[in-house]
Amino acid sequence: SQKIEQNSEALNIQEGKTATLTCNYTNYSPAYLQWYRQDPGRGPVFLLLIRENEKEKRKERLKVTFDTTLKQSLFHITASQPADSATYLCAPISNFGNEKLTFGTGTRLTIIP
Amino acid sequence: DGGITQSPKYLFRKEGQNVTLSCEQNLNHDAMYWYRQDPGQGLRLIYYSQIVNDFQKGDIAEGYSVSREKKESFPLTVTSAQKNPTAFYLCASRDRQGTYEQYFGPGTRLTVT
Repeated sequence: SQKIEQNSEALNIQEGKTATLTCNYTNYSPAYLQWYRQDPGRGPVFLLLIRENEKEKRKERLKVTFDTTLKQSLFHITASQPADSATYLCAPISNFGNEKLTFGTGTRLTIIP
Repeated sequence: DGGITQSPKYLFRKEGQNVTLSCEQNLNHDAMYWYRQDPGQGLRLIYYSQIVNDFQKGDIAEGYSVSREKKESFPLTVTSAQKNPTAFYLCASRDRQGTYEQYFGPGTRLTVT
């Protein structure tokens, strides 16, 4: 069955450092992969989408990589700030049967001042 | 001001009662979704609808029902058959012609005692 794993439930990073979150998937051949941010008690917010033919995508301090050989996506936040503290969710999307998204369980990131 | 609204934010019910959660969107999106989130868990899909008057079961549909009579509205009924109804419920919508990005509402926290 399809499975999505995100590294460690919680990650603590010192302010100013780069935070790296991992999303691994099995029994999937996603054509795209999305990342969302969720703050406590609120709905997730879309951050970035990367296509299978894109190795890397950037948006301000965010960078996402997508390695279809390793079946992995990495999500980086550079120059991290306490305001970046949140749970981050990944969601791979296949070309077929893509009407619904399946989300990873998320990684709770805390940036320590 | 476009977006998705869910009401109420908090809902309390006695065991054995059915309860309906509201979800409205003015984004003109065809697709709408209901998810359930438990503490420390990822999002699990309950039901989704690609078009008016049509909907499909997600991964955990038992004990829930939906309707999609209008494009803007996708209410979810939590029935007394749902064994563990206490959870955070999230509604989302998507433009089927778009980039798979899902727009989420603020969520409804349901507590059943």
